[in-house]
Amino acid sequence: GNSVTQMEGPVTLSEEAFLTINCTYTATGYPSLFWYVQYPGEGLQLLLKATKADDKGSNKGFEATYRKETTSFHLEKGSVQVSDSAVYFCALAHSEAAGNKLTFGGGTRVLVKP
Amino acid sequence: ETGVTQTPRHLVMGMTNKKSLKCEQHLGHNAMYWYKQSAKKPLELMFVYNFKEQTENNSVPSRFSPECPNSSHLFLHLHTLQPEDSALYLCASSQDIREFYEQYFGPGTRLTVT
Repeated sequence: GNSVTQMEGPVTLSEEAFLTINCTYTATGYPSLFWYVQYPGEGLQLLLKATKADDKGSNKGFEATYRKETTSFHLEKGSVQVSDSAVYFCALAHSEAAGNKLTFGGGTRVLVKP
Repeated sequence: ETGVTQTPRHLVMGMTNKKSLKCEQHLGHNAMYWYKQSAKKPLELMFVYNFKEQTENNSVPSRFSPECPNSSHLFLHLHTLQPEDSALYLCASSQDIREFYEQYFGPGTRLTVT
């Protein structure tokens, strides 16, 4: 079956540090890949996505590249801010599945300190 | 109101109680979802509705009973829950169930079963 594995947190950083959150997946076929972010007390928001190999998703200074050869979709940001403190979820949607079913990783909590 | 709203935001119930969670989306979407977010487990899809018809029941115990009277409203009726059912219940919606349509999440209902 499909699965998503992401690094466990919490990840604690200082402001302006470089952030990387690793995400790898297992799926047959050609899934679409997503990063969702959950700020404290809120629901999940789509941060970025990539629908095919070598696509790069980007938003709010975050980037992730769909690497089929390594089955990875690592999230990066060059200079984090305190407002980036949140839980980040990697997810996939299988292109052959019936329906819009997302498979999520366990989430990585990021804490950015001033 | 805009987006996806959920009520109540917090709920404490005993194991013999009956309660309902409500979700409403103001986005004109046709698909709605219930997810369970537990502290130690990845986000789990529970139910999917498309045009008011249930298209997915992810082996959810019968003590959880969904209802979708129209494309804008989704309910989760709760009856004789167990303490392990304590979690954050998230509702989401999307244009329809095709994988390339983004899912928009509500803020969730924090449920505690005593």
